[in-house]
Amino acid sequence: DIQMTQSPSSLSASVGDRVTISCQASQDITNSLNWYQQKPGKAPKLLIHDASNLEAGVPARFNGSGSGTDFTFTISSLQPEDIATYYCQHYDHLLMYTFGQGTTLEIK
Amino acid sequence: QVLLVESGGGVVHPGRSLTLSCAASGFTFSIYAMRWVRQAPGKGLECVAVISFDGRTKYYADSVEGRFTISRDNSKTSLYLQMNNLRLDDTAVYYCARGDYWADYWGQGTLVTVSS
Repeated sequence: DIQMTQSPSSLSASVGDRVTISCQASQDITNSLNWYQQKPGKAPKLLIHDASNLEAGVPARFNGSGSGTDFTFTISSLQPEDIATYYCQHYDHLLMYTFGQGTTLEIK
Repeated sequence: QVLLVESGGGVVHPGRSLTLSCAASGFTFSIYAMRWVRQAPGKGLECVAVISFDGRTKYYADSVEGRFTISRDNSKTSLYLQMNNLRLDDTAVYYCARGDYWADYWGQGTLVTVSS
């Protein structure tokens, strides 16, 4: 089974900072990697699919990149409403999902 | 608009059964794969089961294989999760979600608590 390792597990940053989260796959997954945002008490929200494709309506300060085994999620200028937990997610040929452990983002 | 509404959660003793439902509306239900994703208290996300658009193909996480059954009724635009032999570690919020390669819509979740 493919394992997804997400880092860091938590992150504290200031408004306006550039924030970067990493997700590493245990083997080559090409670009089958998605990113979600989850706010407390709410369902996850899809932000980026296939590594770098921004969902409609998602602010352009969110960005995804990478392929193969190493992926990066970036917020170019952190806003107060971005406080949440972020998850990467890989899909396999059976359409089962493997999620990263999550990164909890806090305002410094 | 797309709407997914889960129901059926509650408190249940270990070893007992429970069936969750997800009522879908606002889209053509019969052309989408659907899945159940759960989240234990304070923990991350785990995809427990997925079903193809026509119900013919189903896959499960190892943690629930043989105990949980996913099904759907396209005529009722509904998704189900039958959970048997529940364990303490099945305690979680269960979300239904739409999509094959990525989940673009999610329900609000229903809480299942397994407790003696």
